[in-house]
Amino acid sequence: DSGVTQTPKHLITATGQRVTLRCSPRSGDLSVYWYQQSLDQGLQFLIQYYNGEERAKGNILERFSAQQFPDLHSELNLSSLELGDSALYFCASSVRQDEGTDTQYFGPGTRLTVL
Amino acid sequence: GENVEQHPSTLSVQEGDSAVIKCTYSDSASNYFPWYKQELGKGPQLIIDIRSNVGEKKDQRIAVTLNKTAKHFSLHITETQPEDSAVYFCAATEGAGRRALTFGSGTRLQVQP
Repeated sequence: DSGVTQTPKHLITATGQRVTLRCSPRSGDLSVYWYQQSLDQGLQFLIQYYNGEERAKGNILERFSAQQFPDLHSELNLSSLELGDSALYFCASSVRQDEGTDTQYFGPGTRLTVL
Repeated sequence: GENVEQHPSTLSVQEGDSAVIKCTYSDSASNYFPWYKQELGKGPQLIIDIRSNVGEKKDQRIAVTLNKTAKHFSLHITETQPEDSAVYFCAATEGAGRRALTFGSGTRLQVQP
């Protein structure tokens, strides 16, 4: 158990809908990363937050957005869902953002299925 | 941006044998190289990592080597056991100043008892 929690574990929805995925980082971790894992694209970085502020963006679609709240939990919002958005979504957390290279600990993921 | 290539995509070994997985990266500014193990239905679990100021690191049956000049790093697992069967991912940071990871495509390791 990495200490990172993600809810829900599974999500099934229809095209065009909007969903919210939630992540709670390890106690004391200030940085949260979101990654998408799909069969054709592998594990890809989406976005990073540090202590409530966006710090880096990867291959995140405009239909997707995220935020980190004062209690440091993070939410990833996916809207106008398409079949191709079906994937595993992972959250990872680390302690710092600016000092050295921090170990990222991954949560168990949310499996999103878009029908 | 960073590009990480990983080989082989599948690897089958007999229990007790060694397994080697290799990765190359493109950004010479990358300075952190973790390896993750992912079992079915679970998130990636860090098994070992290496920073660019070190050439080799060992943790019991697992070792990682880094060649900065050639921009490649490798995972070595000795005395493999059936519980080592999983998908292994290498990763690299996206260059100096960035913390997001770029992952290789994964290696499915099967250890035959």
